[in-house]
Amino acid sequence: GAGVSQSPRYKVAKRGQDVALRCDPISGHVSLFWYQQALGQGPEFLTYFQNEAQLDKSGLPSDRFFAERPEGSVSTLKIQRTQQEDSAVYLCASSLGSGLAGTEQYFGPGTRLTVT
Amino acid sequence: AQSVTQLGSHVSVSEGALVLLRCNYSSSVPPYLFWYVQYPNQGLQLLLKYTSAATLVKGINGFEAEFKKSETSFHLTKPSAHMSDAAEYFCAVSDEGGGGADGLTFGKGTHLIIQP
Repeated sequence: GAGVSQSPRYKVAKRGQDVALRCDPISGHVSLFWYQQALGQGPEFLTYFQNEAQLDKSGLPSDRFFAERPEGSVSTLKIQRTQQEDSAVYLCASSLGSGLAGTEQYFGPGTRLTVT
Repeated sequence: AQSVTQLGSHVSVSEGALVLLRCNYSSSVPPYLFWYVQYPNQGLQLLLKYTSAATLVKGINGFEAEFKKSETSFHLTKPSAHMSDAAEYFCAVSDEGGGGADGLTFGKGTHLIIQP
């Protein structure tokens, strides 16, 4: 398909486990974003990549969260030592532009993480 | 800093009636404004966006929104609701004040219920 894809779609982790969430952006899209959406809330910005460079990670809630995009395409969001408050839907979005405000972002279906 | 307020976490209308979803924003610089729709277990889909061109913006599925700077509002409307419009709607803002990092700031969302 031509859209943004994410895997896995659902992930259950025991508290303290590490998890890795994958995002495949639309081919050719320069910008990639990660958002966290808690139950009943709007998405909250986590981090932003322009190609392989992570230009903004101000939204990452703690140093247990780490994101990478080594070849400027696929991105992985890693959460170490998961806690119950990490339970949320993690959304990935990509856009064709290189950081211009107002550029449309295309969202994937999200990964629902449940920490037990 | 920018923020978005969506008045009413739930809005219920009858099929065929007017839909009005309210959004007010706060931004220190001219904003870019978006409305996204989210169906269950799906990613966000862009309905429409305002990027400083016409203040009345038309989007997909018969939705439109009007940017009113004096009221700092960007309310979403549709003249006649359809059952398929039942979903979660998010208003979002971005601006150039982020130094190029283009993460969106979302409201908490409004759940639209369509009654037959």
